[in-house]
Amino acid sequence: QVQLVQSGAEVKKPGASVILSCKASGYTFTTYFIHWLRQAPGQGPEWMGRINPGDATTNYAQNLQGRVTIARDTSTHTVYMELSGLRSEDTALYYCAREIAVSGTKAFDLWGQGTMVTVSS
Amino acid sequence: EIVMTQSPATLSVSPGERATLSCRASQSVSTNLAWYQQKRGQAPRLLIYGASTRATGIPVRFSGSGSGTELTLTISSLQSEDFAVYYCQQYNNWPNTFGQGTKVEI
Repeated sequence: QVQLVQSGAEVKKPGASVILSCKASGYTFTTYFIHWLRQAPGQGPEWMGRINPGDATTNYAQNLQGRVTIARDTSTHTVYMELSGLRSEDTALYYCAREIAVSGTKAFDLWGQGTMVTVSS
Repeated sequence: EIVMTQSPATLSVSPGERATLSCRASQSVSTNLAWYQQKRGQAPRLLIYGASTRATGIPVRFSGSGSGTELTLTISSLQSEDFAVYYCQQYNNWPNTFGQGTKVEI
């Protein structure tokens, strides 16, 4: 079925890097943008960046520029997000989400199940 | 970036009642706004996009209205499964930004 399946929970020390994965299935992988968002407890989601799986072009949130990298593997229909220089405030639930296929509409109609990242010394 | 402010923070209602949730933007977002429902332990679910278009499979009791800086989500007759947190998201300007949510509780 149509779904995004994310990798498992991570625990990292401050300063480390983490790589999360998001595997798409049930639809044409290269047709839809994939975004990464994160959600701290009790807060609304925060947009981090996106990739066009068709040509690998990316856009990133300015406040994360230099620390976040998004890439894709078309052979496995998987999108990866690497966040470096981890800080305690990066502790959150991380989601990948598919952008709806409606022109000019950057809303998200399919979400992964989320990956918890905990940053602690 | 555009700041989205939702009100109220918590809305206490009874099943069968009407619920009205508000989302205010710090500058105009036109109708480039989406609403999501999030239940505990789950990812957000898209309800509305383009301020008023229901996403696939969303019941007609959910409706969106407004444009510019004042937008509204209305649930016409609350069902037990509607008790959740609701978020608005603007996509008129980069970066996309979300509100802090309205919790709808009994």
